[in-house]
Amino acid sequence: IAGITQAPTSQILAAGRRMTLRCTQDMRHNAMYWYRQDLGLGLRLIHYSNTAGTTGKGEVPDGYSVSRANTDDFPLTLASAVPSQTSVYFCASSDSGFNEQFFGPGTRLTVL
Amino acid sequence: GQNIDQPTEMTATEGAIVQINCTYQTSGFNGLFWYQQHAGEAPTFLSYNVLDGLEEKGRFSSFLSRSKGYSYLLLKELQMKDSASYLCAVTDSNYQLIWGAGTKLIIKP
Repeated sequence: IAGITQAPTSQILAAGRRMTLRCTQDMRHNAMYWYRQDLGLGLRLIHYSNTAGTTGKGEVPDGYSVSRANTDDFPLTLASAVPSQTSVYFCASSDSGFNEQFFGPGTRLTVL
Repeated sequence: GQNIDQPTEMTATEGAIVQINCTYQTSGFNGLFWYQQHAGEAPTFLSYNVLDGLEEKGRFSSFLSRSKGYSYLLLKELQMKDSASYLCAVTDSNYQLIWGAGTKLIIKP
């Protein structure tokens, strides 16, 4: 793989179900991020990780959790999905907070 | 609070020049980014400004005035493939990116 990948591409999920969105990068970037993008609102940061083993909360963390066991992987988990979590989710990575972020192709999630 | 403002939508003609403005109010400033996002795709990096002035990169240029909390992206010799959303983002004092809602640019032949 080259760059940053996300899985699944899209998903329809029943409310109350648990879901993990996967993100993997092969650029050895220290920092990784999860965003959601909703029409008219722009990208909003959910959680971030500045380096493997550490995570932090972004602007809209409620209902989501993350882990960063190694440099490459940064999964996002919805413990009990709700319809308001219907969105497009983007994972991104960067060498540091000073540098440009590289984005994965996104996951389109619909919660019914 | 932190705020980034950009026009929601702009229309321009193929071959022309367009300027997309961005104003920001953030807790600290560690740089301003412009990204391009085609419909249904991920954002891709266009430019980065941390000092006042103009950065030129081919048909695209970006300007920054830190004292005014203002930036613009200038696109020259517009092509149909430039139809996309353009996102302004500022790195705040915590080195997190604060994003504007984006400007949808429509190019007409």
